[in-house]
Parts: sequence; C-alpha cells; structure tokens
Amino acid sequence: EVVLTQSPATLSLSPGEGATLSCRASQSVSRYLAWYQQKPGQAPRLLIYDASNRATGVPARFSGSGSGTDFTLTISSLEPEDFAVYYCQQRMKWPPLTFGGGTKVEIK
Amino acid sequence: EVHLLESGGGLVQPGGSLTLSCVASGFTFNNYVMTWVRQAPGEGLEWVSSISGDKTYYADSVKGRFTISRDNSKNTLHLQMNSLRAEDTAVYYCAKQLKGSSMDMLFDYWGQGTLVTVSS
Repeated sequence: EVVLTQSPATLSLSPGEGATLSCRASQSVSRYLAWYQQKPGQAPRLLIYDASNRATGVPARFSGSGSGTDFTLTISSLEPEDFAVYYCQQRMKWPPLTFGGGTKVEIK
Repeated sequence: EVHLLESGGGLVQPGGSLTLSCVASGFTFNNYVMTWVRQAPGEGLEWVSSISGDKTYYADSVKGRFTISRDNSKNTLHLQMNSLRAEDTAVYYCAKQLKGSSMDMLFDYWGQGTLVTVSS
C-alpha cells in the first residue's frame, strides 16, 4: 500500500500570502498524484491531477509540482475561499487507492 | 449538469446491514467507473470500493462485508453494507471518474454524502 504523508498538518496564513503544501509518498507514484480541496460540510473538489494539471475551472493561483515521491501544491496568493483542507491522492498503485491525511489551511 | 445524489444512510446497530444508493444524472452512467469514498467524523478520506462494468474492487477494511453494484438501466450505484462496525461510521460519498471508458481513478464530481452511524 502506498502511504501518503502530508505536511504540515495545519498551515496558518493570512489572505494574500502564499501557501506551500507537501505530500510525500512511501514509494514512487511517478506523476500519478492528485490534490483535492474540501471545505466544511462539502464534498471534496478535484484541483490538480497528474501532479501539475489543473482541473476544469480551477484558478491559476493553484499549481502542483513534483514526481516520484515528493509533491507540492502551491497557492500563490490566498483568497478567502481558499481556506480549507487539502488532500493528496495517488492512483499509481491500487487497490487500495490512498489519500494523504490532509493539510488544513486556516486563517491566521 | 452532473448530479450525484446519495441516500440510505442512517443509524444502525453493530452487526447490522444497510444499503446505500447513489442516483446519477447528467452523464452517460454506464461509461464511467464509479466509486465510494468515506470520511469518518473529523477524519480524512478513505477509498472504499469501485466498480467498472462487472469488475469490483474493495478496501481490505470492507472486503467480504460490503458489496458494490450498479444498475445502469436506472443510473444507480449501490453499496450493500453487512456486519457493520463502529469504525464504519462515516459520511459515504459516491464519486464519478474524470474520464469515461478508463480507470483513471480521479474524481471530478461527488455527491453530497450520506451519513452512516453504527452504534448501539
């Protein structure tokens, strides 16, 4: 099973600041890594797939990078609606499909 | 517009059974792999099961207890859950794959979720 470890668990930032979220895989997942955003009481939303491809409708301030075992989600300048929990997910080796534990981006 | 609407959640005793349903609209249902993902209260996301045609896949934590199925004539996905445990308590989401006729295991549309509570 591929274990995904996200860091930090919580990121406290102000609107307008940049955010850098990390996801590390226990073994190589090539570029088959996706990022989701989840707001309280809502279902997850696909943001990034295959490490760096933005899903339809996702603003350009969201970008992804990485390959192998180390991946990063960057939010260039936080908007009020970006404060949420972010999950990474790998689809390289499944079953089981696995998600990271999440990073909460909260308002400082 | 794509819509996924889950139903069937509720309170059930340990050892009991429950069947969840997800009615889909707005896309060609039979062309897409469908998946159940759950989220325990205050916790992260956990993949539960996926179905592609007649091929089914399960997380080890539910294998032998849960059964995924689909009725393409009714655009409906099901999850039959038996021998329920306290640790199965979660919001259960159905999710649609990004691309049809593939197993990309990326989820671009999700339902609103249905809460299953296993407690005596």
